[in-house]
This record gives sequence, structure tokens and C-alpha cells, in this order.
Amino acid sequence: EADIYQTPRYLVIGTGKKITLECSQTMGHDKMYWYQQDPGMELHLIHYSYGVNSTEKGDLSSESTVSRIRTEHFPLTLESARPSHTSQYLCASSVPGSPLHFGNGTRLTVT
Amino acid sequence: GENVEQHPSTLSVQEGDSAVIKCTYSDSASNYFPWYKQELGKRPQLIIDIRSNVGEKKDQRIAVTLNKTAKHFSLHITETQPEDSAVYFCAASNDYKLSFGAGTTVTVRA
Repeated sequence: EADIYQTPRYLVIGTGKKITLECSQTMGHDKMYWYQQDPGMELHLIHYSYGVNSTEKGDLSSESTVSRIRTEHFPLTLESARPSHTSQYLCASSVPGSPLHFGNGTRLTVT
Repeated sequence: GENVEQHPSTLSVQEGDSAVIKCTYSDSASNYFPWYKQELGKRPQLIIDIRSNVGEKKDQRIAVTLNKTAKHFSLHITETQPEDSAVYFCAASNDYKLSFGAGTTVTVRA
């Protein structure tokens, strides 16, 4: 089934660890996004991509980085996690002028 | 850039009553306006959308209206039910970027 998949679903790690949140979509969408969201709160755009080898920073400053080597894959990496990174991270994809499709999210806790 | 304001931030309604959420946008080039519903612990999901060449769209108990001159659009939910309780996000998009409102937490009281 065509969808957008995020792994892991939940992650608890210690301060200073490097982590990568995975996002893959099977819909052939060119545009992909990463949002940071505290439960029930505003969606903050942290990174987006128009296609392969394209990455842009979003509206919210983030210490994370992204890469887009393949159309279907848009991983997000934190080089050194901190408690302030505790949040939910939502990946999404779309084609221009059409709605975003969201993944189920990764709930990250940094202790 | 685009700025989307959403009101109210919280809304409590009696089951069976109507709920209305209003959004304003700043970029006159915006031409696509989706609404998302996010239930507790779940991902945002599209519930209805409208394009700038249409003034109103309805899908069962949900309707959206758009006033391009005033740059505002609204979500109307009629005959609310407990399963309508969720956070609702409006958004405005041109061909390049989509901007979200801050969200409205809707609680339907039984």
C-alpha cells in the first residue's frame, strides 16, 4: 500500500547520542518535509526537500540535518541529542498544489 | 512569507451543536487551503480542502468557505459528535510552500 513510513515509532536515548530518524514514502512524491510537534500543539517546519539532492531549512531553527539521496527516502539526523530535542517528529510528502500526507511520527525522548 | 492565523485556539461545544473555526492568511498568491484533523496520538489527516476558484465546499457534516477578498476561510462542523474531538489545523498554500495555522483543540461534550 502506498504510504509514508517512519521508524522508529518511539525512541528514548541519552544526551550526546547521535540518532537518525527514518522516513520513506512509496507514493513517488517529489516534495518531503520534517515537522516538529509537541503533542496537540503547533506544527513547526524544520526541513524540506523539493527532490533528490535538494534540502532546505524550514521556519524553525533546528540542530538537525537531512539528506535526500533517493526520492523515496528523507532521513533526519541529530549529531548530539539534548533534552531540548524531546518532541514528536513528523515526516510528510506531497506533490505541488496537493495535500501533505503525514507519517505516524517518531516520539523522541532525550534523557 | 505567508502568515496563517487561526481562531479560536480551543473550542468546547455540546454534542449536536455546530463548531466553526476561522483562519486568515496574508499572501494573496495562496490558492489552496486544506484542513487537517489530528486525533490524540495520531498523525494529521486531511478532512477537506478548497481551491481559490471555489467559494464553498461541503462533505457531509463538514463544510469550508473561502473569502478571497478578505483573505479568510472557515471550517464548519454541523451536528458535532464525540468523535469530532481533535485538534484541527488550517493551512494555506501557493505552488511552493504550505503554511499551517497554530491549531484549534475541539472538545465535544456529551
